[in-house]
Amino acid sequence: DSGVTQTPKHLITATGQRVTLRCSPRSGDLSVYWYQQSLDQGLQFLIQYYNGEERAKGNILERFSAQQFPDLHSELNLSSLELGDSALYFCASSVAQGATGELFFGEGSRLTVL
Amino acid sequence: GEDVEQSLFLSVREGDSSVINCTYTDSSSTYLYWYKQEPGAGLQLLTYIFSNMDMKQDQRLTVLLNKKDKHLSLRIADTQTGDSAIYFCAESMVGFQKLVFGTGTRLLVSP
Repeated sequence: DSGVTQTPKHLITATGQRVTLRCSPRSGDLSVYWYQQSLDQGLQFLIQYYNGEERAKGNILERFSAQQFPDLHSELNLSSLELGDSALYFCASSVAQGATGELFFGEGSRLTVL
Repeated sequence: GEDVEQSLFLSVREGDSSVINCTYTDSSSTYLYWYKQEPGAGLQLLTYIFSNMDMKQDQRLTVLLNKKDKHLSLRIADTQTGDSAIYFCAESMVGFQKLVFGTGTRLLVSP
């Protein structure tokens, strides 16, 4: 158990809909990262938050947004969903900027868009 | 730019050694990592190496880094069926703002 909790574990929805994925980081971790894992694109970095503020942005679509709340949990919002958004979405957390940069991953939220 | 590449698949017999290879393009990488992903689970850090090191050994795991060729390898000695998983290499740069992951190598260990 990594200590990172993601909900829901599975989600099935239709094209055009909007979903919210939730992540609770490990106790004490200030940084939260979102990654998308799909069969054709591998593991892609989406966005990072540190103590409530956006710190780095990757290949995140404009239809997607995220935020980190004062209690440090984070949400990833996916809107106007398309078939190609079907993927496993991982959240990871880390201490501020630790010596090794180790990330602790949740078990992921599997999104299926029909 | 950032690009990390791995071979997609490796099959070995139980008890043999496995060697998983990775190439990266960004010479400013600070740390290089190996993560393991078992079915239905998230990624778990196996080991990491700082970019000024050539080798790191951790029990059955040996990491070799060739900075000149930008090549990283993970050797698993006495591979067990429980080692069957997808192995990702990853690199990070100063500030550890994000990790860039390779495509992953699926290791299948047969009895």
